Amino acid sequence: EPEVTQTPSHQVTQMGQEVILRCVPISNHLYFYWYRQILGQKVEFLVSFYNNEISEKSEIFDDQFSVERPDGSNFTLKIRSTKLEDSAMYFCASRLSDEGFEQYFGPGTRLTVT
Amino acid sequence: DQQVKQNSPSLSVQEGRISILNCDYTNSMFDYFLWYKKYPAEGPTFLISISSIKDKNEDGRFTVFLNKSAKHLSLHIVPSQPGDSAVYFCAAPNTGNQFYFGTGTSLTVIP
Repeated sequence: EPEVTQTPSHQVTQMGQEVILRCVPISNHLYFYWYRQILGQKVEFLVSFYNNEISEKSEIFDDQFSVERPDGSNFTLKIRSTKLEDSAMYFCASRLSDEGFEQYFGPGTRLTVT
Repeated sequence: DQQVKQNSPSLSVQEGRISILNCDYTNSMFDYFLWYKKYPAEGPTFLISISSIKDKNEDGRFTVFLNKSAKHLSLHIVPSQPGDSAVYFCAAPNTGNQFYFGTGTSLTVIP
């Protein structure tokens, strides 16, 4: 069964460093998402991406964040200058089409900023 | 701004009994709702959904009920099984492409 994959599973970085989190969505899906979950808190929407551009972003998704679909398969989230409060699980998700809202999530990347 | 709320952080149920997980929302523009299940160290997994034109949707042991006037939905699991022990999130998309998740309810099914 096709699945969303994410790498790395755990990333440790120092405050101020740039990180890139990588995702491979399900191949025929059209919509792509990044979410984060700070330990013990809710899953928070960051950004949605469709047709090679951002379709929506939350207040969390400020200028420090960017997304890219550099080729036909990868979908990346870049954090330019990490802060301690960026420590969280980051989930990538994809959705097939606008006929259904079901999203398929990857296993997540745990980002630890020290 | 918490547009989707799950007021019970945890729930314990005996195996074989019914589990009822609740979710409230504030945005009357929401017209589709989803339930996700999450195990530790995994991403959320889609469970069941409901459109606002319905008040009930059933899939095997899982049934979701929607009360639009009360802005309330619930997920019923019957009979509950130990493998159902997980965190359950309700979620709703806005008219664009942004999804709002509740804070989750941790369900423990006791054998």
